[in-house]
Amino acid sequence: GAGVSQTPSNKVTEKGKYVELRCDPISGHTALYWYRQSLGQGPEFLIYFQGTGAADDSGLPNDRFFAVRPEGSVSTLKIQRTERGDSAVYLCASSLAIAGGPAGYNEQFFGPGTRLTVL
Amino acid sequence: SQQGEEDPQALSIQEGENATMNCSYKTSINNLQWYRQNSGRGLVHLILIRSNEREKHSGRLRVTLDTSKKSSSLLITASRAADTASYFCATVQAGNNRKLIWGLGTSLAVNP
Repeated sequence: GAGVSQTPSNKVTEKGKYVELRCDPISGHTALYWYRQSLGQGPEFLIYFQGTGAADDSGLPNDRFFAVRPEGSVSTLKIQRTERGDSAVYLCASSLAIAGGPAGYNEQFFGPGTRLTVL
Repeated sequence: SQQGEEDPQALSIQEGENATMNCSYKTSINNLQWYRQNSGRGLVHLILIRSNEREKHSGRLRVTLDTSKKSSSLLITASRAADTASYFCATVQAGNNRKLIWGLGTSLAVNP
């Protein structure tokens, strides 16, 4: 079946602009996660959705970052007034249920990422 | 914030040799997971070990977990050139069983 998809694959924008990054999770996966990965680093948690609600947004770096998942499937990560430091690969993942559930339900399936470059 | 540290940061071996990577973490965990990342396939889940488990196997992979030392190791046996990738450990913290907290990764190069 189809995996997690993310669009666009690459986004180049200018400092100060607004961007939206989209994630299509695996059908039936209730949990959706956004991470950010800078060059040479491991992914960094941003926000997690369980269904339509943001269950944990403690990783969002500031109020320029916002994410929605209005129908419990597709999610959009929105970044306002982009800064050069926002440049990174933004990864989306989905899973069947929250971590800590039955064995096999904890695996997160990742999309290919969106490479954001802020000039 | 990063939870774990992988050791070594980079590892280069010959095909057929075994590769061992270590991961340390800071807080109590629910489970620890290992992922592989290469440019061709992105991040791929390899194996999960729960806090009450000490060892797990999956094909050529063997993972150990020592919660008293807050550390884990990943062993890849009979390595292949296709195993060349970055390997990350990630933890789900106890009591906060949602997000993955990641280490910095080990870059593995398997030479033909």
